[in-house]
Amino acid sequence: KAGVTQTPRYLIKTRGQQVTLSCSPISGHRSVSWYQQTPGQGLQFLFEYFSETQRNKGNFPGRFSGRQFSNSRSEMNVSTLELGDSALYLCASGTTGGTGTQYFGPGTRLLVL
Amino acid sequence: AQSVTQLGSHVSVSEGALVLLRCNYSSSVPPYLFWYVQYPNQGLQLLLKYTSAATLVKGINGFEAEFKKSETSFHLTKPSAHMSDAAEYFCAVSDSGNEKLTFGTGTRLTIIP
Repeated sequence: KAGVTQTPRYLIKTRGQQVTLSCSPISGHRSVSWYQQTPGQGLQFLFEYFSETQRNKGNFPGRFSGRQFSNSRSEMNVSTLELGDSALYLCASGTTGGTGTQYFGPGTRLLVL
Repeated sequence: AQSVTQLGSHVSVSEGALVLLRCNYSSSVPPYLFWYVQYPNQGLQLLLKYTSAATLVKGINGFEAEFKKSETSFHLTKPSAHMSDAAEYFCAVSDSGNEKLTFGTGTRLTIIP
């Protein structure tokens, strides 16, 4: 099976712009989660989608949003970018067995100038 | 809330020596515990997971971890370090039935030739 894919892999934006990141989960996985990784804050949970519904949400401002499509692909959007949004954004997909086992994509590295 | 603590942000071992990376968890319910590895400029790769079956869990690349409820620990070990083991390792916990992962701060493993 193909793994989790994320596009684009690298992105450079300026403050105030918005950005959309895309994630395709492993075939058959219906849960998609997003995480932000920074040197200062480490790995932080953004949100999780299952069957097109947001099931869990982390402690991030409303500028961070996401959605999931009927084919389980997911997008996350960050509006009004700030310098502090520079990070590696990781997408993970999982089965619905309730164990929390997730498989991660390679990430999208976002640099905000 | 669930949490994990990784003792030692940097660990150095000689090639061929024992690798021991420490993780302690805090959970009011039986947790699901995971170890992930991250190589430079890559996403997270699942090494192994504990989901309340056997307390000694074997993973990929010769790694294993033992769940010790009395010590609230889930330390990662490998009998003989290899140069290719140099990476950052993350311990994570999830609630039963919850896809949200809470990560530790990570341990960077350096292998000395």
